[in-house]
Amino acid sequence: DIQMTQSPSSLPASVGDRVTITCRASQSISSNLNWYQQKPGKAPKLLIYAASNLQSGVPSRFSGSGPGTHFTLTISSLQPEDFATYFCQQSYSTPYTFGQGTKVDIK
Amino acid sequence: QLQLLGSGPGLVKPSETLSLTCSVSGGSITSGSFYWDWIRQPPGRGLEWIGSLYYSGNTYYNPSLRGRVTISADTSKRQFSLKLTSVTAADTGVYYCARRSSDGIDWYDPWGQGILVTVSS
Repeated sequence: DIQMTQSPSSLPASVGDRVTITCRASQSISSNLNWYQQKPGKAPKLLIYAASNLQSGVPSRFSGSGPGTHFTLTISSLQPEDFATYFCQQSYSTPYTFGQGTKVDIK
Repeated sequence: QLQLLGSGPGLVKPSETLSLTCSVSGGSITSGSFYWDWIRQPPGRGLEWIGSLYYSGNTYYNPSLRGRVTISADTSKRQFSLKLTSVTAADTGVYYCARRSSDGIDWYDPWGQGILVTVSS
């Protein structure tokens, strides 16, 4: 199985901060990497697909980079509604695997 | 707009079978090149892919579940279902259904709201 390692696991931040979350794959997964946002008690929401493509309706302050084994999710200017947990997911090969998640909370 | 709504019992006894259903509204589970997946999240842990149902009827499962899982569809009701046999406490968690797009690179959108299932006697 492809292991996905996310860092950090917790990220205290303030409104307006630039925030970067990293996801590393145990082998090259090309651009087969997606990012999701999850708020407590809610279903995950797709933010970025194929490493760097912004899902329709997602604010442009979110961006992603890849490909290969090292991926990042960046929020250019953190907004109050962005405090949530973020996780990555590889769709290169089954079984599809997810990162452990990064919780962005208030500093 | 496609929406998924999961349903099923929140409490299952050890050694019994967990059965969940995902109802699809705003679209059909036989249209287009989509997979219909189940994903779970044990308490305090990451997400785990359980398996997929392709719109053609083919199924794919996570080998870690060692033959305990079955995913099937009732197209007339626009539903797909999950059955997990011989459950233990390790199967406790939130279970999500989700549609997976297959367009060269797959992604999950949308997701169902999640069903908390506890395995306990």
